[in-house]
Amino acid sequence: AQSVTQPDIHITVSEGASLELRCNYSYGATPYLFWYVQSPGQGLQLLLKYFSGDTLVQGIKGFEAEFKRSQSSFNLRKPSVHWSDAAEYFCAVVLYGGSQGNLIFGKGTKLSVKP
Amino acid sequence: GAGVSQTPSNKVTEKGKYVELRCDPISGHTALYWYRQSLGQGPEFLIYFQGTGAADDSGLPNDRFFAVRPEGSVSTLKIQRTERGDSAVYLCASSSLGETQYFGPGTRLLVL
Repeated sequence: AQSVTQPDIHITVSEGASLELRCNYSYGATPYLFWYVQSPGQGLQLLLKYFSGDTLVQGIKGFEAEFKRSQSSFNLRKPSVHWSDAAEYFCAVVLYGGSQGNLIFGKGTKLSVKP
Repeated sequence: GAGVSQTPSNKVTEKGKYVELRCDPISGHTALYWYRQSLGQGPEFLIYFQGTGAADDSGLPNDRFFAVRPEGSVSTLKIQRTERGDSAVYLCASSSLGETQYFGPGTRLLVL
């Protein structure tokens, strides 16, 4: 079965430091890949997505992610974290075609930012 | 433009009661999804509509859960004989076919 693994449950970084959140997926082909962010009491907001083409994708709020087929990974990065980035981050995949596009999410990584 | 809206934002009910959760998708979006997010977990897929019909309901946990979308726009998720384990945030998302899903703020359901 398809699955998404986010190995880090909770990460704390200092404001201004760089950030990398890990995501690995299990699927035979290349799925469509997403990163969503969820702030307390808010809905999920799309940060970026990868469908095909350039494996380094840029998103909103200064985030980027790199798709590495050989590692089945889609890690999220930001060069300099801001206090407002504190939130929970979810990696997700979707399989178009047979499953009509329902998202499969990882369990999330909670990001705390130290001043 | 208006995003996905969900009502109520919070719902408290007693074990055994019936609840309805409503989702208003983005205008023109033909696809509508329901997910459930338990504490400390990522959202889990429940059901997907394409137009008025349920194209995939494989995520519904049991026959107490049912969803409708009679006119291809607003959708209602219905839970009968609620159990404490049904407590979660229920998320709705909509999209144009094959495109990005946009999520609503969710309905937080608490079953006492």
